[in-house]
Amino acid sequence: GAVVSQHPSWVICKSGTSVKIECRSLDFQATTMFWYRQFPKQSLMLMATSNEGSKATYEQGVEKDKFLINHASLTLSTLTVTSAHPEDSSFYICSASGSRETQYFGPGTRLLVL
Amino acid sequence: GNSVTQMEGPVTLSEEAFLTINCTYTATGYPSLFWYVQYPGEGLQLLLKATKADDKGSNKGFEATYRKETTSFHLEKGSVQVSDSAVYFCALKPTGNQFYFGTGTSLTVIP
Repeated sequence: GAVVSQHPSWVICKSGTSVKIECRSLDFQATTMFWYRQFPKQSLMLMATSNEGSKATYEQGVEKDKFLINHASLTLSTLTVTSAHPEDSSFYICSASGSRETQYFGPGTRLLVL
Repeated sequence: GNSVTQMEGPVTLSEEAFLTINCTYTATGYPSLFWYVQYPGEGLQLLLKATKADDKGSNKGFEATYRKETTSFHLEKGSVQVSDSAVYFCALKPTGNQFYFGTGTSLTVIP
């Protein structure tokens, strides 16, 4: 199946700093990418949907200015957590969808804000 | 609206026991249904799926049948192994790209 990678897999940062997470589709062109957040022992919550070359669509309750999403190419989307705080610590997962609408999930990025 | 309800865990089974994880859903229209598995420290992997009523998805000994009359998609395996220990998520996808996930069920299989 198709492969989606995320980088980094682990990141620890200080409160107030910004962190960028990359999501790449390695062997297909992803017209749409999705960003999810998963708290411990809970399900995935969709944060936003991004289409290549256009602004992301954020779910209700997700702060656009805090979670900046860029989908500049058909193989790369980035999520930047700005001015991170401890409550932003979570597991962030992206998924990518190509022409067949099948979604492939990345391995996730664990963020710890100290 | 769209939602998924999974049986609460954690579930602990002995090796070779029979597994059932219940999943029911509420959806508008005719969604596709999925089971995803998440191993410790990893992302989600598609386990199986069904796209229409009465379809049976199967993979690695796991099965689930899309039951429209009971709005259910229960996951079953006849004989679990230690390597099946993971968190299992039921999900639905209406037309379009958005997934709706259940809260996940943690399974631990002991030798």
